[in-house]
Amino acid sequence: SQTIHQWPATLVQPVGSPLSLECTVEGTSNPNLYWYRQAAGRGLQLLFYSVGIGQISSEVPQNLSASRPQDRQFILSSKKLLLSDSGFYLCAWDRDNSPLHFGNGTRLTVT
Amino acid sequence: DQQVKQNSPSLSVQEGRISILNCDYTNSMFDYFLWYKKYPAEGPTFLISISSIKDKNEDGRFTVFLNKSAKHLSLHIVPSQPGDSAVYFCAATTNYGGATNKLIFGTGTLLAVQP
Repeated sequence: SQTIHQWPATLVQPVGSPLSLECTVEGTSNPNLYWYRQAAGRGLQLLFYSVGIGQISSEVPQNLSASRPQDRQFILSSKKLLLSDSGFYLCAWDRDNSPLHFGNGTRLTVT
Repeated sequence: DQQVKQNSPSLSVQEGRISILNCDYTNSMFDYFLWYKKYPAEGPTFLISISSIKDKNEDGRFTVFLNKSAKHLSLHIVPSQPGDSAVYFCAATTNYGGATNKLIFGTGTLLAVQP
């Protein structure tokens, strides 16, 4: 069966520090991968998606970037965090029109 | 601009009764709608979906109704159980059957089922 791993579960970082969140999927190949964010009082917002290695599409211009160095690995990064980057970050995957499958998320607090 | 809206942040229902969660949308190009359920400290999990060519889809205790003219969908849970207590997200896409699943989510409704 397929599983998605996302870490860390919680993270507290100072403003201006870098960020790296990692997500890996097991049990499938060539999935579509997604990063979503939920800010306080908002719905889940799509940040990036990827249909293959090295292919990244950005939905919202912002202080973040994404990379897909391997087929089942998706990384969310920032060089310098802002207070507004605080939120709940979710990685997800799908394939062949299946519903999105989400990881357990990372709660990021920028102080 | 919030294209998918869940205007009720929370809902409390007695066990055994019906829970009705509502969702409104503004984009008439949405062609597929989904409901996700989220427990604390976990990611959302898919619950049920409906294509825009249908007006009802049922799966066990869960039924989703779609009213395209009103741009409204609802999730009915009958009978409600304490284990149904969670946050429910409504989502929609204009890309059904496409290469990717670019979903637009609502803000969620916290359902509390009282024993």
